[in-house]
Amino acid sequence: ETGVTQTPRHLVMGMTNKKSLKCEQHLGHNAMYWYKQSAKKPLELMFVYNFKEQTENNSVPSRFSPECPNSSHLFLHLHTLQPEDSALYLCASTADSSAGNTIYFGEGSWLTVV
Amino acid sequence: AQRVTQPEKLLSVFKGAPVELKCNYSYSGSPELFWYVQYSRQRLQLLLRHISRESIKGFTADLNKGETSFHLKKPFAQEEDSAMYYCALQRGGYQKVTFGTGTKLQVIP
Repeated sequence: ETGVTQTPRHLVMGMTNKKSLKCEQHLGHNAMYWYKQSAKKPLELMFVYNFKEQTENNSVPSRFSPECPNSSHLFLHLHTLQPEDSALYLCASTADSSAGNTIYFGEGSWLTVV
Repeated sequence: AQRVTQPEKLLSVFKGAPVELKCNYSYSGSPELFWYVQYSRQRLQLLLRHISRESIKGFTADLNKGETSFHLKKPFAQEEDSAMYYCALQRGGYQKVTFGTGTKLQVIP
């Protein structure tokens, strides 16, 4: 499969649970991102990884923990989340960290925290 | 700080009518601006970027540095243009992209 793939597409978790979101890209890109999309808010950049190294953490609470084992995979580990963390989490990738690269998005993982 | 403003949450136009989706930005340097589109049940994808000066699916956007705007225009709307449109700004040389809140375009048959 080509493009950016995210699993699971839907996730419901309790506030004490630990879960993970997975992202995989088959585009040969070297930069990967996590974005959060909440209702009535713009897309918010959470994390940036470039060649497996985290280059940006946009003041994200520590209950969100990213992991990038290689340039093709990106995880977002979730623990002790709050109901306000319910949102659509989008993974994206670009060829590299240069400005002007097209962002390729996954379809997103809908997260509901109960 | 960089900011992108899309003042309209919803824009409804009749098929064949002209379309203009507004985008204003706030950034003191030389920005790179993009329009992304999300059709129903599809992923967010690039529509066009100002640096390419291209026309995609009949849409164009001109960067107006004086008015700090990057409005998206199409002379004749089609039903298949109905979607969410996001304006985005990237600082030159940096990965961080700032998105607007999006405008839903509804083309009425």
